[in-house]
Amino acid sequence: DQQVKQNSPSLSVQEGRISILNCDYTNSMFDYFLWYKKYPAEGPTFLISISSIKDKNEDGRFTVFLNKSAKHLSLHIVPSQPGDSAVYFCAARKDGQNFVFGPGTRLSVLP
Amino acid sequence: SAVISQKPSRDICQRGTSLTIQCQVDSQVTMMFWYRQQPGQSLTLIATANQGSEATYESGFVIDKFPISRPNLTFSTLTVSNMSPEDSSIYLCSVLRAYEQYFGPGTRLTVT
Repeated sequence: DQQVKQNSPSLSVQEGRISILNCDYTNSMFDYFLWYKKYPAEGPTFLISISSIKDKNEDGRFTVFLNKSAKHLSLHIVPSQPGDSAVYFCAARKDGQNFVFGPGTRLSVLP
Repeated sequence: SAVISQKPSRDICQRGTSLTIQCQVDSQVTMMFWYRQQPGQSLTLIATANQGSEATYESGFVIDKFPISRPNLTFSTLTVSNMSPEDSSIYLCSVLRAYEQYFGPGTRLTVT
């Protein structure tokens, strides 16, 4: 049973537009969430985090939104750039436990 | 952040052999993790390695197949034993620092 889901395996966006990557989770006890970006042949790179006491966290072009009642989080990238093309993973955890990772969404930003 | 290096970066191995992957972190950490990412799939936790104690393995992974060493707070090794083609994967070490988890560059293993 997948506790963290990313239902879109891939997404294509035009350069300059907004990319929205979605993530759903099933465990209401999860209280901390991360987004990672992964290029081919590299390890995942931490992007941004959010704890369950917030509903939004922003860092430059990246904003993560958390909707606890819907058990849903999303990553917004604006404006999208070709260098953002990568696989994006969301991860969630309950305090004191290990992170659970989603299956990833491959983002392609078209010039 | 954390600077994590892994060796080797990639290898091609024959069925039945073993490979040891090394992970070095730039500063001391209590917990180190080993993950696997099989082609087209997400990150799967193999085990958690704490210094001075036996590694804790996740369901589906056993010490005989994936022995782990953690001799100090900046270093760990993962051995993939008696390899089969199903072990072809990217193996990643990871550390937890300030609530965030950081990953090494990965070791791409191909078993023929």
